[in-house]
Order: sequence, then C-alpha cells, then structure tokens
Amino acid sequence: SAVISQKPSRDICQRGTSLTIQCQVDSQVTMMFWYRQQPGQSLTLIATANQGSEATYESGFVIDKFPISRPNLTFSTLTVSNMSPEDSSIYLCSVADGTWVQETQYFGPGTRLLVL
Amino acid sequence: GNSVTQMEGPVTLSEEAFLTINCTYTATGYPSLFWYVQYPGEGLQLLLKATKADDKGSNKGFEATYRKETTSFHLEKGSVQVSDSAVYFCALRGAGGFKTIFGAGTRLFVKA
Repeated sequence: SAVISQKPSRDICQRGTSLTIQCQVDSQVTMMFWYRQQPGQSLTLIATANQGSEATYESGFVIDKFPISRPNLTFSTLTVSNMSPEDSSIYLCSVADGTWVQETQYFGPGTRLLVL
Repeated sequence: GNSVTQMEGPVTLSEEAFLTINCTYTATGYPSLFWYVQYPGEGLQLLLKATKADDKGSNKGFEATYRKETTSFHLEKGSVQVSDSAVYFCALRGAGGFKTIFGAGTRLFVKA
C-alpha cells in the first residue's frame, strides 16, 4: 500500500490569494490525481498529474486556475489560484500503480481549505 | 457516460442493527466497483472492491456483491457498531479507463 501525506492539512485564506498544496508518496507510483470534495458533496476529479508533462484536466477545470506540477514519481503540487469562497473545499491527492483496472487507488488525508 | 447512484442519507441505526446502503451504476462494459469509507476528519479509505460480475468484496464485516444483471453493488453489514459511523462512498472505475466516478456519499450514524 501507499502512504500519502499532504501539506498543509488545513488553511484559511483570503480571496484573491493563491495556495499551493503538496502531496508526497512514500513510494514511486505511476498515477497521481487531484480531487476536490466540496462541503457535503462527493469527490470530483480535477486532473491527472503527469510526470514531466502538463497535467490532464477534467471538464470544468483549467490550468490557469489549478496549475499542477509533478517533478518526479513521488511528489506533486496543486495550486489553487486567485481564490474565491467557492473554492472552499477539501482537496485530496490520490495515487495508483500497476495495472490500472485492477490496482487499488489510495487517497491522502486531504487539505481543508476555507476561503474568506 | 458512467455514473453511480447511492441512497441518500443520513442513515441512523442502533448498534447491532443490520445495514444496507444501496448503490446502482451505469457503465459500458465491465467496470470495477468499490466502496470507500471516510471517518470524521479523515481521508478516504478503501473498504472493499469487486472487479467482475458475481464477485463479492468483503472487509471488516462489510460485504458487497457485484450484480451485473441489476447493475448494483449494495453494501451490507450484519451488525453495525458505533465505530462504523462514517460517510460511505460507492465508486466505479470504467473498464480500461483512468477515471473513478464517485457516488454522492451516504452518511451513517450508529447510536449506542
């Protein structure tokens, strides 16, 4: 299994500012993902973080708002840019490895973001 | 497209009661199906999974059977405990795909 840590665990930010969330995995993994979980709602995939190339974004999410880096197989960052109160959510890093269909997907503890 | 529908919560039960949380899905082909649990203040944890029709996933007393004919993956537990209080998410990963689709989540409260 993979152990995932995220920093910060929570933050309170002012609108118009940006926050970078870090995701560190204890082993090399093929796939890394970023999800958003808005209050009382389910998880929505933001993007797949690709090592050495641009992330692949889901419909409704754009690079200018959520820039992502993945410099190696164990680390990724998600930036929430020009924040508004609507960005208040839990942001979760997730990883998977091996044969995708069969492999388990692991989730980090999440970063709880409140935008005032 | 693929989708997951699960019963709305919250579900409130007394300790030792029987639990069922319904989950149905829409997908082409043969997806993999999952139940995840999120305890208060924590991240998601995989509870159980099934990757083909008629497979039964089980863990910690919870069970779910992959029913292709009814496109369902209902979660059951024979005797719940207070420590089972959490939010439960049904999820689907399409065959050959990279995207996991989550249901809305069902909050379970278990009273002593």
